Amino acid sequence: AQSVAQPEDQVNVAEGNPLTVKCTYSVSGNPYLFWYVQYPNRGLQFLLKYITGDNLVKGSYGFEAEFNKSQTSFHLKKPSALVSDSALYFCAVRDGTGGYQKVTFGIGTKLQVIP
Amino acid sequence: NAGVMQNPRHLVRRRGQEARLRCSPMKGHSHVYWYRQLPEEGLKFMVYLQKENIIDESGMPKERFSAEFPKEGPSILRIQQVVRGDSAAYFCASSPMGTAVTYEQYFGPGTRLTVT
Repeated sequence: AQSVAQPEDQVNVAEGNPLTVKCTYSVSGNPYLFWYVQYPNRGLQFLLKYITGDNLVKGSYGFEAEFNKSQTSFHLKKPSALVSDSALYFCAVRDGTGGYQKVTFGIGTKLQVIP
Repeated sequence: NAGVMQNPRHLVRRRGQEARLRCSPMKGHSHVYWYRQLPEEGLKFMVYLQKENIIDESGMPKERFSAEFPKEGPSILRIQQVVRGDSAAYFCASSPMGTAVTYEQYFGPGTRLTVT
């Protein structure tokens, strides 16, 4: 069975500082990893994904994530946080081996950027 | 290109009534996923459908819940005889192909169901 862990319920960071939102995963085969963002009363928006290739993935709004196979992690990062980045962030994983596999989402991490 | 559309955005039902939630996928997308979101529980997969077929309903309760995606028209998530525990936000997502490939999913704005 596959799973995702987002160990922090909330992350607080000052505007202009770098931010990190943590994610670890567990799958039997090759991990396909995703980050989504949810603003209040909205649906989830896709930010970035890792399928294969370069471990550092760049996505929307200046976000990036680093795939670390040995630590089974896929942390989301941004060099300089904006107040508008405040939202709920979800990490997701699916097993890339074989045919259909559903996507498993983490419980989300609330990011609060303080002006 | 319109995004994923869900209606209604808010739905209030009394216990015992039926709730019908509709989802129109993005143009060109033939795969639909339904999720339920509760505070403190994150996003829980319910069902994955292609046109006229249910591919995976492993996350859907066996009783009172059903889903369909007909050849014409939106996908519908139906909850019969609603109970207070059904109160949640229900999200629909679509993709151009199934999760057998690498495509990310595109989410609608959700339907917030309140059972009184």
